Amino acid sequence: DQQVKQNSPSLSVQEGRISILNCDYTNSMFDYFLWYKKYPAEGPTFLISISSIKDKNEDGRFTVFLNKSAKHLSLHIVPSQPGDSAVYFCAASPNQAGTALIFGKGTTLSVSS
Amino acid sequence: DSGVTQTPKHLITATGQRVTLRCSPRSGDLSVYWYQQSLDQGLQFLIQYYNGEERAKGNILERFSAQQFPDLHSELNLSSLELGDSALYFCASSVGESRSYNEQFFGPGTRLTVL
Repeated sequence: DQQVKQNSPSLSVQEGRISILNCDYTNSMFDYFLWYKKYPAEGPTFLISISSIKDKNEDGRFTVFLNKSAKHLSLHIVPSQPGDSAVYFCAASPNQAGTALIFGKGTTLSVSS
Repeated sequence: DSGVTQTPKHLITATGQRVTLRCSPRSGDLSVYWYQQSLDQGLQFLIQYYNGEERAKGNILERFSAQQFPDLHSELNLSSLELGDSALYFCASSVGESRSYNEQFFGPGTRLTVL
């Protein structure tokens, strides 16, 4: 029973355009959401997060949107760059502090120049 | 470099064997988490330790066990290995429990292959 779902295994985007990665969750107890980025042969690295009390969080080219009623979040990357090509994992937590993360299966983003 | 180290990077062994994976957290981090990533799967939480004590358990098999030592490094022991245990095993660390979010920093992982 997957509590965090990333339904698109892959996404291809041209350099300079917007990349939109989507994530759905089923557990209404989730209170904190994160995006991690993973390059081959490396561990995941934290990208951006959002608390359930917000509907948007922005950090440079990266913006995460949260729609609690739809149990849906998305990561927007504008403009996309070839170096953004990686696997992106959506993760959720029932609270902010020191608990295990529930991950989706990931979306592989390919940005072509 | 996240500051989390994992050894070994690669491990190849046979079914029925036992292996130990090691993790050193970032300096100052008290919490250690173990995750398993199988083919086409997201990261599955296995177990968490906080300052030497087990704090949470996820989908960890009874054949698997872990501990966190006084110097805060952690070991994940996998025994009676089966082909299906082949996966990437990640360790992550965070400061610990507090009111503000503790970002988890991940190590590079150990790739286990069971033949």
